Amino acid sequence: EVKLVESGGGLVQPGRSLKLSCIASGFSFDDYWMAWVRQAPGKGLEWIGEISQDSSTINYTPPLKDKFTFSRDNAQNSLYLQMSKVGSEDTAIYYCATGSFDYWGQGVMVTVSS
Amino acid sequence: DIQMTQSPSVLSASVGERVTLSCRASQNINKYLDWYQQRLGEAPKLLIYNTNNFHTGNPSRFSGSGSGTDYTLTISSLQPEDVATYFCLQRNSWPRTFGSGTKLELK
Repeated sequence: EVKLVESGGGLVQPGRSLKLSCIASGFSFDDYWMAWVRQAPGKGLEWIGEISQDSSTINYTPPLKDKFTFSRDNAQNSLYLQMSKVGSEDTAIYYCATGSFDYWGQGVMVTVSS
Repeated sequence: DIQMTQSPSVLSASVGERVTLSCRASQNINKYLDWYQQRLGEAPKLLIYNTNNFHTGNPSRFSGSGSGTDYTLTISSLQPEDVATYFCLQRNSWPRTFGSGTKLELK
């Protein structure tokens, strides 16, 4: 069974950093592009970006390119999202997904507030 | 960036009714258009990829069509479990962009 499990969310103060993790199982993680998508409360889906199998190619949505950093550890079947200088606009559920979006995690909530 | 416009934003329909949801791109996306279903409180789920290809595990009442800038998701006979918000996504170019969603309700 394919599973993607995000973690690392919670309450964070404005201007601080936060690192989300996504642990994959049930498929050959190192064969897949992986992606991050977020959803602000009551809003639609926003594509954040994607990372290739060997991390050689990373595409970000331009408004978040300087704020978010993707990485992965194929030996640990893990995907990461490093968020820096967060603001209230980053409050959202963050989902990891396979690059073709055929599988999604359950999401992790990030709340930015003082 | 390619803008994706979904219509209507809210749709009320009866059980058994044929339902059509639309997604329009601001430029040609060469059929790289996916449809996702998101039930309340759940993660999105892939229904259709590349305009008209079924993703495994979904009911056959869902189908997709379209080309160029205009795409459609059709539910042939609406079921109560289809109450959800439906999003389209273009994967023709970067950044990928989602539509704002159509909320499907039961009448």
